[in-house]
Amino acid sequence: QSVLTQPPSVSAAPGQKVTISCSGSSSNIGRNYVSWFQQLPGTAPKLLIYENNKRPSGIPDRFSGSKSGTSATLDIIGLQTGDEADYHCGAWDSSLSVGMFGGGTKLTVL
Amino acid sequence: EVQLLESGGGLVQPGGSLRLSCVASGFMVTSHAMSWVRQAPGKGLEWVSVLSGSADYIHYADSVKDRFTISRDISKNTLYLQMNTLRVEDTAVYYCAREKWRTFDFDSWGQGTLVTVSS
Repeated sequence: QSVLTQPPSVSAAPGQKVTISCSGSSSNIGRNYVSWFQQLPGTAPKLLIYENNKRPSGIPDRFSGSKSGTSATLDIIGLQTGDEADYHCGAWDSSLSVGMFGGGTKLTVL
Repeated sequence: EVQLLESGGGLVQPGGSLRLSCVASGFMVTSHAMSWVRQAPGKGLEWVSVLSGSADYIHYADSVKDRFTISRDISKNTLYLQMNTLRVEDTAVYYCAREKWRTFDFDSWGQGTLVTVSS
């Protein structure tokens, strides 16, 4: 039931910027907040961005989120090798009354 | 400190049942919506179910509706997931997660418990 669409993978060099997209519909992203989660290998997901563009305490400002219409974006600047992880977007779907995640995007820092 | 600790995973045959537990500490489960989220091997996250803090709503993913039941024991500050009629495709690591503001903002996750459905 994963109807949020993310690219399977992205890559960039250390110090560069990467953008991860998350596309949905009017009943999920279009109507509700988007969250982003970082999942390092072998660990539980970690909240990175909530309510479209807010960072929890302790998350560096290299990470930023935005939303426009039925799409959301996660930007990471000043890439570090430690940023290599899977990134997941998520949102509530008001029409179906279910939660939804994207398929996840694997970030490789070359 | 907010912590979530899952248990109850294991190997079960197709058609079997299992009950997962998630003990919360550092906060009350009555104050936050709590969800179960699963991740099949090598796959992305899949939201499974939610129980609101005030227990005024419960929702399930279509893939588990009528087979899984979410519940809690307030006295034990523990969330449960009763899983019946298990299928091979239910094989996954199951996480419990807390929503901070009811905006799908899961700010705390357990370490996960592995459920393997196989004959």
